[in-house]
Amino acid sequence: EAGVTQFPSHSVIEKGQTVTLRCDPISGHDNLYWYRRVMGKEIKFLLHFVKESKQDESGMPNNRFLAERTGGTYSTLKVQPAELEDSGVYFCASSQERRAGYNEQFFGPGTRLTVL
Amino acid sequence: RKEVEQDPGPFNVPEGATVAFNCTYSNSASQSFFWYRQDCRKEPKLLMSVYSSGNEDGRFTAQLNRASQYISLLIRDSKLSDSATYLCVVNHLTGGFKTIFGAGTRLFVKA
Repeated sequence: EAGVTQFPSHSVIEKGQTVTLRCDPISGHDNLYWYRRVMGKEIKFLLHFVKESKQDESGMPNNRFLAERTGGTYSTLKVQPAELEDSGVYFCASSQERRAGYNEQFFGPGTRLTVL
Repeated sequence: RKEVEQDPGPFNVPEGATVAFNCTYSNSASQSFFWYRQDCRKEPKLLMSVYSSGNEDGRFTAQLNRASQYISLLIRDSKLSDSATYLCVVNHLTGGFKTIFGAGTRLFVKA
C-alpha cells in the first residue's frame, strides 16, 4: 500500500513569491492533516480536514496560507505571498478514525521550503 | 508552559542499555497518546500507541498515567538502530481536534 506522498520534496523561492505544496494521503483515509516544523522548534499543527471539510484550521499562521482539499482526496497548501519566516518543513499526515479523538497518523516525507 | 513536555536529552547510552523517556501533558481533556520516532531529516514514524493499561511491542514498552498526565517509553536492550529522536504526541478534542507534539528527545546509542 502506498504511503502519504508530498510534492515537491524541496522548494526554494524568493520572498513575495507563491508556492503550492501538494499532499496525497493514503487511499481511503478521510482525515488529512498539515503540520509545519520550523528549525529548532517542535512540529506544529496547522489544520485538519475530514474529507473535503476543514475541521480545525486554528493552527494556520495567517491569511497568507490557504489549504484546500477539493473532492476529499489530495490536498494543497498555498502560501501567498511567502515570507522569510515561512521557511521550514511542511508535513502532511493522514489517518482513518477508529473512534472519536483516536487515530494513528501516518506522515509523508515532508516538503522543505526555503524562502530567500 | 508547553502543552507537551519531554525530557530535554540528548541521551547517550551504550548498546544493550535500557533507556526511559518521560513526557507530561497539560490538557486533562487529552484523549489519545502516541510515541513517534523521527530520524534525521525524515518524517515522524509511528512507534506505538499508548494505553492506560500499558502496552508492549518487543523491546518497547509504553505507559500512560492519566491521573498524573504522564506518559513514558521504555526501550530495553538498545540497538544502534534505535538512535533517533522520540516524539511524544497527544491528541485532544478541545475546541476542535488537535495534535500536539513534544519537542522530542534525542537518543544516541553507541557501540
